[in-house]
Amino acid sequence: AQTVTQSQPEMSVQEAETVTLSCTYDTSESNYYLFWYKQPPSRQMILVIRQEAYKQQNATENRFSVNFQKAAKSFSLKISDSQLGDTAMYFCAFMIYNNAGNMLTFGGGTRLMVKP
Amino acid sequence: GAGVSQSPRYKVAKRGQDVALRCDPISGHVSLFWYQQALGQGPEFLTYFQNEAQLDKSGLPSDRFFAERPEGSVSTLKIQRTQQEDSAVYLCASSRRQRGDTQYFGPGTRLTVL
Repeated sequence: AQTVTQSQPEMSVQEAETVTLSCTYDTSESNYYLFWYKQPPSRQMILVIRQEAYKQQNATENRFSVNFQKAAKSFSLKISDSQLGDTAMYFCAFMIYNNAGNMLTFGGGTRLMVKP
Repeated sequence: GAGVSQSPRYKVAKRGQDVALRCDPISGHVSLFWYQQALGQGPEFLTYFQNEAQLDKSGLPSDRFFAERPEGSVSTLKIQRTQQEDSAVYLCASSRRQRGDTQYFGPGTRLTVL
């Protein structure tokens, strides 16, 4: 079974600054996918960024980037130039690679508050 | 195109009542997932459909939970004889069939059992 741990229940950052959210996972699989999802207050969950474990290059999407350390089983999310609209719950999630239709295993989430 | 939609958005039930939650996936998405999200926690997997076939129901917490997708499109999650511990947000997600495809989530149904 896979587990995902987010050790920071809450974080805050000043607008325009940079913040890093931590995520570690445990698995015996060698091929898998990792995701960061954002869930704004009372709104639906949306994908922020994804990483294939077989790719060594860290994924980047505009102001969002990840630091993927496969050996350490670590997958942190860096948000640069934080904006008020980044205020949300952030969930790290894991998916096995072996076939289609695999479920996501989520961490407990980090509540991020961006302050003006 | 339209995203995943769910109805109702909010449901209040008295303990012991049966409820039905609906999910409309993105058109053409073969895979459909249901998750349960307790307050302040991450979502937890309930069940998975590929077209009309329910291929994984390992996450359903009890035999009071039942899901169907009879025509391979709309899905319904039914909870019989609701209990207070069933109070949660129920999320539906859909994706294409390909391995590792991103799952797109609906807004969820918040179920409160009194």
